[in-house]
Amino acid sequence: GAVVSQHPSRVICKSGTSVKIECRSLDFQATTMFWYRQFPKQSLMLMATSNEGSKATYEQGVEKDKFLINHASLTLSTLTVTSAHPEDSSFYICSGQPGPYEQYFGPGTRLTVT
Amino acid sequence: GDSVTQMEGPVTLSEEAFLTINCTYTATGYPSLFWYVQYPGEGLQLLLKATKADDKGSNKGFEATYRKETTSFHLEKGSVQVSDSAVYFCALRANAGGTSYGKLTFGQGTILTVHP
Repeated sequence: GAVVSQHPSRVICKSGTSVKIECRSLDFQATTMFWYRQFPKQSLMLMATSNEGSKATYEQGVEKDKFLINHASLTLSTLTVTSAHPEDSSFYICSGQPGPYEQYFGPGTRLTVT
Repeated sequence: GDSVTQMEGPVTLSEEAFLTINCTYTATGYPSLFWYVQYPGEGLQLLLKATKADDKGSNKGFEATYRKETTSFHLEKGSVQVSDSAVYFCALRANAGGTSYGKLTFGQGTILTVHP
């Protein structure tokens, strides 16, 4: 149990376009979802925390207008990278948390901006 | 703020060797501590956890003990296998009541490669 999926697993987009990444909890209700960014050979950096039905809370230094997060339901959160640039290329990982317990992580989405 | 420091890798071992990956943390109060594993091309999986001082988390032959006096949570395994090759992340979660409750703070990750 406690499976989180992400779609797509890999995406390539042109500079200036927007791309949406979906994160779904398949067998539990995620009252809270987290979005992380992982640079090559580095750790995960928390970008934002989202609670179903409310606005996401962004970490310091993360542009909320560039990284739009929508937690539409207890099983779905989306991250939209707007006007993507090559420096946005990264591995994006989401996690779902069913209450005050462990986070369950998705497999990640590799974004490449050309 | 909270922080986690792991020993730098990569770590390369032969099969059946003993493994230690050091992890120390800085946090206020009494955080929960975790080890996550990331296999190539996959997301993070929880390996083990400890929620209070002197707790020992264990799973799949891996162990780690929450040492408050040394603010450490070192990962150990007595005999590693090739299938243990992965990236290992130490992490902490702030204690309840704080504004950062629920957030995980990760160490930088340690790459482990086990050769036959």
